[in-house]
Amino acid sequence: DAKTTQPPSMDCAEGRAANLPCNHSTISGNEYVYWYRQIHSQGPQYIIHGLKNNETNEMASLIITEDRKSSTLILPHATLRDTAVYYCIVRGAGYALNFGKGTSLLVTP
Amino acid sequence: GAVVSQHPSRVICKSGTSVKIECRSLDFQATTMFWYRQFPKQSLMLMATSNEGSKATYEQGVEKDKFLINHASLTLSTLTVTSAHPEDSSFYICSARVSGGAETQYFGPGTRLLVL
Repeated sequence: DAKTTQPPSMDCAEGRAANLPCNHSTISGNEYVYWYRQIHSQGPQYIIHGLKNNETNEMASLIITEDRKSSTLILPHATLRDTAVYYCIVRGAGYALNFGKGTSLLVTP
Repeated sequence: GAVVSQHPSRVICKSGTSVKIECRSLDFQATTMFWYRQFPKQSLMLMATSNEGSKATYEQGVEKDKFLINHASLTLSTLTVTSAHPEDSSFYICSARVSGGAETQYFGPGTRLLVL
């Protein structure tokens, strides 16, 4: 499975957009990009996933580059409750997810 | 999204006893469930893959005789930590994959185990 690289931490002001980058240069054609987040002492929460096209749901948008080697998760209006560790995972559909260290996002007032 | 529950949410037990953790998919059927554990300040680590009606597949280094997994129905998988020791104290989390080839896995809230 492809390895991902994320910055260890990021800050974002409340109400502003949070843009979380992820590099996955070794992604293969049948692998999806998944984003999950984990708030302290809770199970991971599914955010969004995509294969090739950009995706949007009620939580976030996922922008995948044309070559699929990187992606960006966008939280359009970050709130304090969005403070969490965000994981970018590349994996084939249906397989177990391998969690790296993720990005610790701190949303400040 | 789909809901996955775990029971209990936290448990304290004495060394040498066994503890059973349940993982249920509440509003969907899950052919496959996954068990993870997470130590403090670390990321989730996959322990095993549980398929309904068949034996679980364990990751390297995870003792199958110590961590017993049963996936007897499409909505329930159980993890039993046998003869628990203090080093088994951890946060145990399950996830469930919706049957039918769907791409998304949903996670339970986790079970915090403390072995004294």
